[in-house]
Amino acid sequence: KNEVEQSPQNLTAQEGEFITINCSYSVGISALHWLQQHPGGGIVSLFMLSSGKKKHGRLIATINIQEKHSSLHITASHPRDSAVYICAVIPLNQFYFGTGTSLTVIP
Amino acid sequence: DSGVTQTPKHLITATGQRVTLRCSPRSGDLSVYWYQQSLDQGLQFLIQYYNGEERAKGNILERFSAQQFPDLHSELNLSSLELGDSALYFCASCPSGRSQETQYFGPGTRLLVL
Repeated sequence: KNEVEQSPQNLTAQEGEFITINCSYSVGISALHWLQQHPGGGIVSLFMLSSGKKKHGRLIATINIQEKHSSLHITASHPRDSAVYICAVIPLNQFYFGTGTSLTVIP
Repeated sequence: DSGVTQTPKHLITATGQRVTLRCSPRSGDLSVYWYQQSLDQGLQFLIQYYNGEERAKGNILERFSAQQFPDLHSELNLSSLELGDSALYFCASCPSGRSQETQYFGPGTRLLVL
């Protein structure tokens, strides 16, 4: 049973397109994180959400606690956004990860 | 650069062996997390330490153990290694270990068991 489901698994976009990655979860959580993993393997935390919406540059993350759903949006996508995006949910003292969305942005 | 360091970067060993992975957290961070990322299982949470004490445990096998030392660096010990233990092992740190804190990830240790 997967506590976290991400969609799509793979995404190819043209530079400049608006991108949405979805994360649905089945457990009650205290927080949700969006992570970015670069082709070289390094992981960066993009957002931590417990409610509402956050924005950082061209990235926007939203969460709907009642619907157990979060989205990560990338506006004006760029080839350097090519990476794997991973959703992680945190019930009390545990971490469950989605399988990731592999994004390729073509110039 | 996240400020979290991990050594070694790469490790190749044989089945049945024991290895130790090391993690130094960001300056001032008291909490360290260990994660395993394999091709078939994806990212999995192994264990969390806070200021030297175990705080939370995930899918950590009995053959694996970890500790956090007084200087806050942490070590993950993997013993009786099996082929399936081949994976990337990440540590991450944050100031106080609350779930709402941003975690800072190290570059990872790539373990290959032959």
